[in-house]
Amino acid sequence: DAGITQSPRYKITETGRQVTLMCHQTWSHSYMFWYRQDLGHGLRLIYYSAAADITDKGEVPDGYVVSRSKTENFPLTLESATRSQTSVYFCASSEQKRETQYFGPGTRLLVL
Amino acid sequence: TQLLEQSPQFLSIQEGENLTVYCNSSSVFSSLQWYRQEPGEGPVLLVTVVTGGEVKKLKRLTFQFGDARKDSSLHITAAQPGDTGLYLCAGFILTGGGNKLTFGTGTQLKVEL
Repeated sequence: DAGITQSPRYKITETGRQVTLMCHQTWSHSYMFWYRQDLGHGLRLIYYSAAADITDKGEVPDGYVVSRSKTENFPLTLESATRSQTSVYFCASSEQKRETQYFGPGTRLLVL
Repeated sequence: TQLLEQSPQFLSIQEGENLTVYCNSSSVFSSLQWYRQEPGEGPVLLVTVVTGGEVKKLKRLTFQFGDARKDSSLHITAAQPGDTGLYLCAGFILTGGGNKLTFGTGTQLKVEL
């Protein structure tokens, strides 16, 4: 089915380990986004990308790395996971800037 | 600093009741969106309001954008259990916000039989 998918849906890891969350969209949208959702904070932007090979920091980028070698993929890497990175991570895409964003189902990450 | 404040944070009501959720900011937004998120899923867009004072209706849901484009409200008439979910407002700040969508803290609504 067309749309935006995330994998894995659930992940448990340990402090200090590297973790990569995957995001794939089939619409060829230019823009892709990574958010984290925490109780009391709502959704906060981690990184976003306007096109392949173009990325920019959001509100809470520390401890995260992104890449976008292909338009349809936007992986998010936690280089050395910390407990404070336990969260629900959402990927989103939009056709153009400042337009409707379509969200994936989320990845629930627990860092022990 | 939370640019978009939503109230109430939690709301539990009986089926058939009316409710209003508020989204307030000191910033001016070029547009404001409302999303609903169900457990285990990502947010889904309900509506976008663009013009100050604009009112949009989606069945039993009425959305209003403030005249100054700094606030918005969501009113649900005769709430049903299917309305249960997390409601999020989000907007593009008019100046200085770039292409970033700023989200509110959310209102968790539970509608009981």
